[in-house]
Amino acid sequence: AQTVTQSQPEMSVQEAETVTLSCTYDTSENNYYLFWYKQPPSRQMILVIRQEAYKQQNATENRFSVNFQKAAKSFSLKISDSQLGDTAMYFCAFMKGGGTASKLTFGTGTRLQVTL
Amino acid sequence: DVKVTQSSRYLVKRTGEKVFLECVQDMDHENMFWYRQDPGLGLRLIYFSYDVKMKEKGDIPEGYSVSREKKERFSLILESASTNQTSMYLCASSWTGGLLGPQHFGDGTRLSIL
Repeated sequence: AQTVTQSQPEMSVQEAETVTLSCTYDTSENNYYLFWYKQPPSRQMILVIRQEAYKQQNATENRFSVNFQKAAKSFSLKISDSQLGDTAMYFCAFMKGGGTASKLTFGTGTRLQVTL
Repeated sequence: DVKVTQSSRYLVKRTGEKVFLECVQDMDHENMFWYRQDPGLGLRLIYFSYDVKMKEKGDIPEGYSVSREKKERFSLILESASTNQTSMYLCASSWTGGLLGPQHFGDGTRLSIL
């Protein structure tokens, strides 16, 4: 079974600064995908970024980028130029490759507060 | 855009009642999921379905059942609600293909069992 660990329950960052959220996972699979989801207060969960395990290049989506260290089983999220709208709960998630259904295993989340 | 609609944002029920949570998606997705979200525990998978009338248990299926009679609709059933089922319930859908099909979530139903 896979496990996903987010060791930072809460974090705070000032507007325009950079923040990194940590995520580690444990799996014996070789084919898998990793995701970061964002859940703003009282709003819908949305996908922020995803990474295929077979790709060495780190994924980037505008101000969001990941540092994927496959050997260390680490998948951190970096948010550059933080904005007030980035305030949210962030979840790291793991998905095994193949199969008929894309089951996700989630971490416990990191609550990020962006301040003025 | 994909739309996943959960029938209620807030629901209050009594212990022992049979509770139905409904979820509808409009993108012809094969896969549908039910999670519960609790503080400090993240999201935990209750049940999922990869086709009509097909279902599989997730990590915490006890006390729950599901129904998928039509492709677009996935219902979560609490057979006899208990106070420890007070939680936020999230429905999600995706199409088969893993990477190409990240999960799309509904707004959630905050369920209180009194």
